[in-house]
Amino acid sequence: QVQLQQSGPGLVKPSQTLSLTCAISGDSVSSNSAAWNWIRQSPSRGLEWLGRTYYRSKWYNDYAVSVKSRITINPDTSKNQFSLKLSSVTAADTAVYYCAGFWDYWGQGTLVTVSS
Amino acid sequence: DIQLTQSPSFLSASVGDRVTITCRASQGMGDYLAWYQQKPGEAPKLLIYAASTLQSGVPSRFSGSGSGTEFTLTISSLQPEDFATYYCQQLNTYPTFGPGTRVDFK
Repeated sequence: QVQLQQSGPGLVKPSQTLSLTCAISGDSVSSNSAAWNWIRQSPSRGLEWLGRTYYRSKWYNDYAVSVKSRITINPDTSKNQFSLKLSSVTAADTAVYYCAGFWDYWGQGTLVTVSS
Repeated sequence: DIQLTQSPSFLSASVGDRVTITCRASQGMGDYLAWYQQKPGEAPKLLIYAASTLQSGVPSRFSGSGSGTEFTLTISSLQPEDFATYYCQQLNTYPTFGPGTRVDFK
């Protein structure tokens, strides 16, 4: 049974970088069959896929066009987790952020508020 | 990006009703479609993938059909625990989600 545990701050100041981590248990971030995703949800934008990282003999990343210039998703094999960094945040980035794998396993969600 | 629309956006129903939700895509995408159920304060739960394959553990009253640009999620007999918001998701290109259909008590 795969479980995903999110961690990271719930409040970020405008123009700063949002950072979240998703710890994986029950599978490996280096799995050749998994893709590890970040998704966010807000009343104005609904559910929005942000990006993913996955391993297929080497590491790959895909990012949504809407955040491509500001987002980085990195795997951490030593801790079996992956992270999200979103730079230059504004109030429009306020949302509940989720990590997900296989689309069947989701983290608990983190409400991130962008405010000074 | 492939855009998804859902209809209706809101549905009022009673226990025992048959409920059908439609998801339409802006371009053909084979059967790369999934359906999720979300309750307040919870993460989305995968119900159906590949348009019609029931995820393990999901009750058989849920079913999915369609291909190309039009898909449906059907709940054959609505149960009290089914009152929630339902989303479709396409996986043909970078994933996108539909805007959701809220199923509420009549």
